[in-house]
Amino acid sequence: GQQLNQSPQSMFIQEGEDVSMNCTSSSIFNTWLWYKQDPGEGPVLLIALYKAGELTSNGRLTAQFGITRKDSFLNISASIPSDVGIYFCAGRSNSGYALNFGKGTSLLVTP
Amino acid sequence: DTAVSQTPKYLVTQMGNDKSIKCEQNLGHDTMYWYKQDSKKFLKIMFSYNNKELIINETVPNRFSPKSPDKAHLNLHINSLELGDSAVYFCASSPRGRPEQFFGPGTRLTVL
Repeated sequence: GQQLNQSPQSMFIQEGEDVSMNCTSSSIFNTWLWYKQDPGEGPVLLIALYKAGELTSNGRLTAQFGITRKDSFLNISASIPSDVGIYFCAGRSNSGYALNFGKGTSLLVTP
Repeated sequence: DTAVSQTPKYLVTQMGNDKSIKCEQNLGHDTMYWYKQDSKKFLKIMFSYNNKELIINETVPNRFSPKSPDKAHLNLHINSLELGDSAVYFCASSPRGRPEQFFGPGTRLTVL
């Protein structure tokens, strides 16, 4: 599988700030997923996107499926200390079961 | 009420040994996966089973052998462990035909 380009690699922000991260692929995906991984834990699914242009929210998190189907974005509004962790994008095409993951965005939030 | 569980959580062993990691899911999912997360946190698919049938077998040394006794279990056996096998191994599962995958807590393998 291919590795997706995810940016930024890391972010260090103050509590209350908004955060944006994105993921791009060289090929088209039919599903985009966003996961969060806390230290010592497995990734937890945050948001799933199923069609181009789709915008979906989960509390303070909002994610979008890019119109080209080759990118996706995740925004976190009014960050809090418990938002700390690594955020991964993952894409899947219709031709297989495997998820292709980005390298992750490490988020640090200071009180 | 654990959804995807793995044992052990930590595994420290010597080079050359053989070890197994077990995974169980109680979500009723049909598809299960093994991923390897390296020191740079990159998650890479290793294997996938759908209803006990192998459907994904990425470029993984044949020292790694998955086994699915039933659709709720997917175990990973590793022969002749090498230093480079040190990583965190995650099991995951997904419902039939669905892309959403649910991960276990991981097994941190350290080969000395």
